[in-house]
Amino acid sequence: EAGVAQSPRYKIIEKRQSVAFWCNPISGHATLYWYQQILGQGPKLLIQFQNNGVVDDSQLPKDRFSAERLKGVDSTLKIQPAKLEDSAVYLCASSLFQGASGNTIYFGEGSWLTVV
Amino acid sequence: AQKVTQAQTEISVVEKEDVTLDCVYETRDTTYYLFWYKQPPSGELVFLIRRNSFDEQNEISGRYSWNFQKSTSSFNFTITASQVVDSAVYFCALSGTNTGGFKTIFGAGTRLFVKA
Repeated sequence: EAGVAQSPRYKIIEKRQSVAFWCNPISGHATLYWYQQILGQGPKLLIQFQNNGVVDDSQLPKDRFSAERLKGVDSTLKIQPAKLEDSAVYLCASSLFQGASGNTIYFGEGSWLTVV
Repeated sequence: AQKVTQAQTEISVVEKEDVTLDCVYETRDTTYYLFWYKQPPSGELVFLIRRNSFDEQNEISGRYSWNFQKSTSSFNFTITASQVVDSAVYFCALSGTNTGGFKTIFGAGTRLFVKA
């Protein structure tokens, strides 16, 4: 079974530029997550989708970050304009269903962003 | 509020030594789940184990074992006879209903160095 796919793996941009990351979850997984992991820290949830609806985006900096999952399958996370502090690994993850705690979350390899 | 604390930032051992990674959590939920993930240098978080709050039995999987103690709110992870391939960052995570949905939060991670 294919895992969570992400692209690009690496991206270097200048501050104030924009960037977009793409994610395709494990087939059949209804819940999709975007996490931000700054070097030396644990992953922090940015946004969580259930099918094509947003469940939680309380920690998403909405003035510069946006995400969508229009057809309830793959998803795009965009940053515009980027700041130096956005340098991090952006991890996409998915789980089978939401509706009960304890869903095991499966992660992709991450998209490494460096803002210079 | 939910919280996961991994007090050990880095641990360094020599191959074949046993090592225990500590995890302490806080939650007001009566039903919750605990997880351990491994993050090798490639960046992908690899799921290791899931435990629910009603099952305090210790678990062993090969060289890995987990000790869940509700009385001390701890879910510690032991690697027996460590190997160089165990070198990675290990994250403990907690999933509970909290308020407004089912969230999974991660500790800051413990970086394990296993030297040959």
